[in-house]
Amino acid sequence: DTGVSQDPRHKITKRGQNVTFRCDPISEHNRLYWYRQTLGQGPEFLTYFQNEAQLEKSRLLSDRFSAERPKGSFSTLEIQRTEQGDSAMYLCASSLANLAGGPGNEQFFGPGTRLTVL
Amino acid sequence: KNEVEQSPQNLTAQEGEFITINCSYSVGISALHWLQQHPGGGIVSLFMLSSGKKKHGRLIATINIQEKHSSLHITASHPRDSAVYICAVSGNYGGATNKLIFGTGTLLAVQP
Repeated sequence: DTGVSQDPRHKITKRGQNVTFRCDPISEHNRLYWYRQTLGQGPEFLTYFQNEAQLEKSRLLSDRFSAERPKGSFSTLEIQRTEQGDSAMYLCASSLANLAGGPGNEQFFGPGTRLTVL
Repeated sequence: KNEVEQSPQNLTAQEGEFITINCSYSVGISALHWLQQHPGGGIVSLFMLSSGKKKHGRLIATINIQEKHSSLHITASHPRDSAVYICAVSGNYGGATNKLIFGTGTLLAVQP
């Protein structure tokens, strides 16, 4: 399977615990995005990497959230001291930068990690 | 007001009907995306367009840049088309190149 993969698919944790999610993008894709989707809503942007550089973090991302993409390949999203409001689907997407300009490239999504904080 | 608005929020159709989902946006864009999400599932990109019209099978997407409006049409709808259809726009917003801004989605149920 050469698509975007995410692990785990589901995570149930108790409030106050730390959790870490992993995203493996399509191998040649240099851009990686994290989004969060709550029930009945469209996804919201969290953060973005071009290669290993984290170029933007949404104000939705509190200090309890951190993301890395150390070698420009897979990425991790960690949530410290989880709260019930963190319960959501966390989606990862990747794309290939359109260096020639233009509208940019299509984003390919992973299956998501559903987090439930009890 | 959301930057991307979709209508309707919910849509029930009978098999075979022609379906239209509308999307309006208020920001400048590089491209508009139509995405499909099945319950509990990931998101699949259906179309990315910056002008005109695209067709793939029974799906047609159009965009009017001047009016900041797009439509997704499904011809000869089938129960397997039942899903959430999400409109999103992309552009260079606040430094994140081509991040997506999403609408809230349209829940489509096609009954046999």
